[in-house]
Amino acid sequence: QSALTQPASVSGSPGQSITISCTGTSSDVGSYNLVSWYQQHPGKAPKLMIYEVNKRPSGVANRFSGSKSGNTASLTISGLRADDEADYYCCSYAGSTIHVVFGGGTKLTVL
Amino acid sequence: EVQLLESGGGLVQPGGSLRLSCAASGFTFSSSAMSWVRQAPGKGLEWVSAISASGGDTYYADSMKGRFTISRDNSKDTLYLQMNSLRADDTAVYYCAKDRIGDFDCWGQGTLVTVSS
Repeated sequence: QSALTQPASVSGSPGQSITISCTGTSSDVGSYNLVSWYQQHPGKAPKLMIYEVNKRPSGVANRFSGSKSGNTASLTISGLRADDEADYYCCSYAGSTIHVVFGGGTKLTVL
Repeated sequence: EVQLLESGGGLVQPGGSLRLSCAASGFTFSSSAMSWVRQAPGKGLEWVSAISASGGDTYYADSMKGRFTISRDNSKDTLYLQMNSLRADDTAVYYCAKDRIGDFDCWGQGTLVTVSS
């Protein structure tokens, strides 16, 4: 099972908005509304930011939002802050055999 | 507070074995599916294995099938990963994660496994 496709890097200035795309196939992203997004700061464990395409766990700022269209999911971060600078990974359920597949990760730089 | 604490990582020679443990607290472990996810140095996240809440169903990524075994002891709130026939490309930080089937809502801090002679 191939990894989901994410851009290697994105950047934005404080206060701006950015969007990270995550492209899969009809066997994963396109088949299930079970896309999640994780934020990972250097040397730290990943943190769940979005689940089930567009739901935010308690404690996650509403500046983070998710969406999906066909085989592509997206994470949008509005009102960029310096501490948003991190790696972001998408993940999709892919059925009971494969379970889940991750994207390759996107490094967000806040200029 | 939900906590996952991994242990058991270290340096092992190619072809060797290692057993990782993950102690859980702050939630009903016996009601939760669990997974192991790894991250090679400087690389992305890779799902390794999952186990159902009861332990009756297990799942593995293709590259781990036949070499890794996931298990759990619900009486001890502990998850395990037995890793055999280790290769250099198994070198990674191994995270245990609470698995909600489609997302991982809690992660441990990770334990580093280094496979090298």
